[in-house]
Amino acid sequence: QSALTQPASVSGSPGQSITISCTGTSSDVGSYNLVSWYQQHPGTAPKLMIFEVSKRPSGVSNRFSGSKSGNTASLTISGLQAEDETDYYCCSYAGTITWVFGGGTKLTVL
Amino acid sequence: EVQLVESGGGLVQPGGSLRLSCATSRFTFSSYAMSWVRQAPGKGLEWVSGISSSVSSTYYADSVKGRFTISRDNSKNTLYLQMNSLRAEDTAVYYCAKSNNWHFDYWGQGTLVTVSS
Repeated sequence: QSALTQPASVSGSPGQSITISCTGTSSDVGSYNLVSWYQQHPGTAPKLMIFEVSKRPSGVSNRFSGSKSGNTASLTISGLQAEDETDYYCCSYAGTITWVFGGGTKLTVL
Repeated sequence: EVQLVESGGGLVQPGGSLRLSCATSRFTFSSYAMSWVRQAPGKGLEWVSGISSSVSSTYYADSVKGRFTISRDNSKNTLYLQMNSLRAEDTAVYYCAKSNNWHFDYWGQGTLVTVSS
């Protein structure tokens, strides 16, 4: 159950697009279209942003999108806004009713 | 709006025990699997344990297997985590999370567990 690999930090200017990668293995990300993404502001609970690779929950901006290729999933945020600056975590189902998270990525809006 | 409220965290000595609770409301608790996810200070999220809606099946991360026990009382809409043989590395904020198929759609605000002498 090794953690998924995310870049420690990414940055972008307001209005630009950024992509956060999430690399796993053929036992988790590569085996299941069950990757989810969570946004977490400091001191608060995580919030679901994307599920099943590319689906958005009701109420989440369409500026957030997800994709997957092989063992790597990606979260793209378009039209960056100051309020997007925070931490993002990916998560994948890993079989036998277990889940594995990424180490988290800190997004800075320049 | 779905509500999840954790309690039971605190300071405990290494080797000690603690029982966390997660009181839920505004959804049909007995219809959903639930999980505990933790976050060590300044670190990322780690899935700890999950339980099926019917209480028949429980699942654990290798890091807590044999020490932690997840349970639920569907009559009280409450999820529990019994933590025994606690170690310093178990220090974290513990979140309960509602499962919706294969993702976690609602989370509580968390309860802090500190393992230290």
